[in-house]
Amino acid sequence: AQKVTQAQTEISVVEKEDVTLDCVYETRDTTYYLFWYKQPPSGELVFLIRRNSFDEQNEISGRYSWNFQKSTSSFNFTITASQVVDSAVYFCALGLYNQGGKLIFGQGTELSVKP
Amino acid sequence: NAGVTQTPKFRILKIGQSMTLQCTQDMNHNYMYWYRQDPGMGLKLIYYSVGAGITDKGEVPNGYNVSRSTTEDFPLRLELAAPSQTSVYFCASSYPSGSANTEAFFGQGTRLTVV
Repeated sequence: AQKVTQAQTEISVVEKEDVTLDCVYETRDTTYYLFWYKQPPSGELVFLIRRNSFDEQNEISGRYSWNFQKSTSSFNFTITASQVVDSAVYFCALGLYNQGGKLIFGQGTELSVKP
Repeated sequence: NAGVTQTPKFRILKIGQSMTLQCTQDMNHNYMYWYRQDPGMGLKLIYYSVGAGITDKGEVPNGYNVSRSTTEDFPLRLELAAPSQTSVYFCASSYPSGSANTEAFFGQGTRLTVV
């Protein structure tokens, strides 16, 4: 079965705190993609990162960083020094390479950053 | 840069009515998708298409139909609307799996209420 689990439904932090959003996935495919999307209160989906299954390098982009570990089937997302503008729902998604590239989404983590 | 355009943005339907959600993309993407997002949930795939003339069911296809006569357009048809179809609908497109960029580009969403 293909599945994405985001165990944290809601997280609340105070501005400037670091926060990590967890993502665990299940698939038997050997080739797949992992994504993170941000959905701000306005409702659109904003692409943050794509990682393919053969690339376990961690990535840092400004205050954002991602940790991909195939051994634990996890693709966690850390925001350093959070800001109020980071408040949004964050979705982790599994992209199925051999099934038309369709995405399996987790249920999302709602992050609230308070001033 | 239009990207993925969905119309309408909002719609209220009465039970039993029909409607078509329009989706068009100008990026020459072969792959297109329809997802629905219920409150507090992640997105679920309704239908997808890997090219003109080819469509396939996703996770939640019942009550919907699609067609793909051109690369650009991928309309979603609701027949006999039911309250369970109240949701936000997202259209997306992407390059084929294996391409250098397989990010899914999403439209702004259509908020549909069935009363």
